[in-house]
Amino acid sequence: DAGVIQSPRHEVTEMGQEVTLRCKPISGHNSLFWYRQTMMRGLELLIYFNNNVPIDDSGMPEDRFSAKMPNASFSTLKIQPSEPRDSAVYFCASSFRPDTQYFGPGTRLTVL
Amino acid sequence: EDKVVQSPLSLVVHEGDTVTLNCSYEVTNFRSLLWYKQEKKAPTFLFMLTSSGIEKKSGRLSSILDKKELFSILNITATQTGDSAIYLCAVDSGGSNYKLTFGKGTLLTVNP
Repeated sequence: DAGVIQSPRHEVTEMGQEVTLRCKPISGHNSLFWYRQTMMRGLELLIYFNNNVPIDDSGMPEDRFSAKMPNASFSTLKIQPSEPRDSAVYFCASSFRPDTQYFGPGTRLTVL
Repeated sequence: EDKVVQSPLSLVVHEGDTVTLNCSYEVTNFRSLLWYKQEKKAPTFLFMLTSSGIEKKSGRLSSILDKKELFSILNITATQTGDSAIYLCAVDSGGSNYKLTFGKGTLLTVNP
């Protein structure tokens, strides 16, 4: 298995632009998580899905952030409009059990 | 709000030293505590702890949980330069669903 796949790996954009991050979870996993990691705040859970249904989005910073999971093999995290404070590494992870939560390689986002 | 606090935030040791990393937590619905190692990329799973007083061991790494005092420690003996990483502690407090709250991590640097 290729593991969790994220794209792009790096994204540099200007303030105000729309950014879309993509994730393909490991086949057979029924939970998918989006995290954001910064030096200041560490690793924060943004939203997670169970069987494609959003279960908890209380970590989503504000209305500029939205996430979708249209099917079991694909999810997107969208930021519109982006701001410099959104610069971070965004991880997607998938799991079937909590002790086997597999992380993708991350997308390093820089908003200028 | 669930909270996970790790200490120290950073630690510098010499090869061969033994280190102890700490993790304390306050959550409303504890199910398990997990330790992850993060090198230059995504976190990778080390241990999951659910019961007090039972040590989990993997090579030179070991961990134990105290559910009464709400903390866990991760020990690394005979450290090597390859142990240099960020060590993350997370608590699963999702009830019937999976939800990990992460601490900010301990940055361990092992010098030759």
